[in-house]
Amino acid sequence: KAGVTQTPRYLIKTRGQQVTLSCSPISGHRSVSWYQQTPGQGLQFLFEYFSETQRNKGNFPGRFSGRQFSNSRSEMNVSTLELGDSALYLCASSLTGNQPQHFGDGTRLSIL
Amino acid sequence: QQQVKQSPQSLIVQKGGIPIINCAYENTAFDYFPWYQQFPGKGPALLIAIRPDVSEKKEGRFTISFNKSAKQFSLHIMDSQPGDSATYFCAASNEGSQGNLIFGKGTKLSVKP
Repeated sequence: KAGVTQTPRYLIKTRGQQVTLSCSPISGHRSVSWYQQTPGQGLQFLFEYFSETQRNKGNFPGRFSGRQFSNSRSEMNVSTLELGDSALYLCASSLTGNQPQHFGDGTRLSIL
Repeated sequence: QQQVKQSPQSLIVQKGGIPIINCAYENTAFDYFPWYQQFPGKGPALLIAIRPDVSEKKEGRFTISFNKSAKQFSLHIMDSQPGDSATYFCAASNEGSQGNLIFGKGTKLSVKP
């Protein structure tokens, strides 16, 4: 069974630009969560989607948004990029959200 | 209330030793406590998880001990191997909201041959 797939693996952007990251969950999983990982703040929850609806949201500014499609694939978007947005962005999927989460290998976003 | 505090930040043990990583939480609504292992360049991988109705759970060489009254839980790695060298994260969430994990800051474990 294929795991969680995140694309692209690496991205370099400049301040002010916007970026879209993609996540394909494990087949059959309907819940997708996004996390930001930085050396200083560690792993922080961004938001969770289930059946195309945002079910939970972390404490991040509105520049961070996401969506989920009918096939459970999810995208997250960050607008007006700032230097502090440089991080590893991780996606995790689970059957319904009430099950263990399985992570992808992340997208490394660097802001110049 | 939402924090999970993890210690130590780093840990060095000899092969065969038993590293112990500790976590403490404040929110009594937390009822799901997983541990993740992360290697460089990879995403976190679920190792083992426990719920508050159980005081200990073992899976292979990994054991979680849980103390509900103290609001603490710990990971023990038996007969540690150099291949166990990685960063370990504890986490917590509420039942019904496991899609929202609150993570500890991580412990970098190094197992010397």
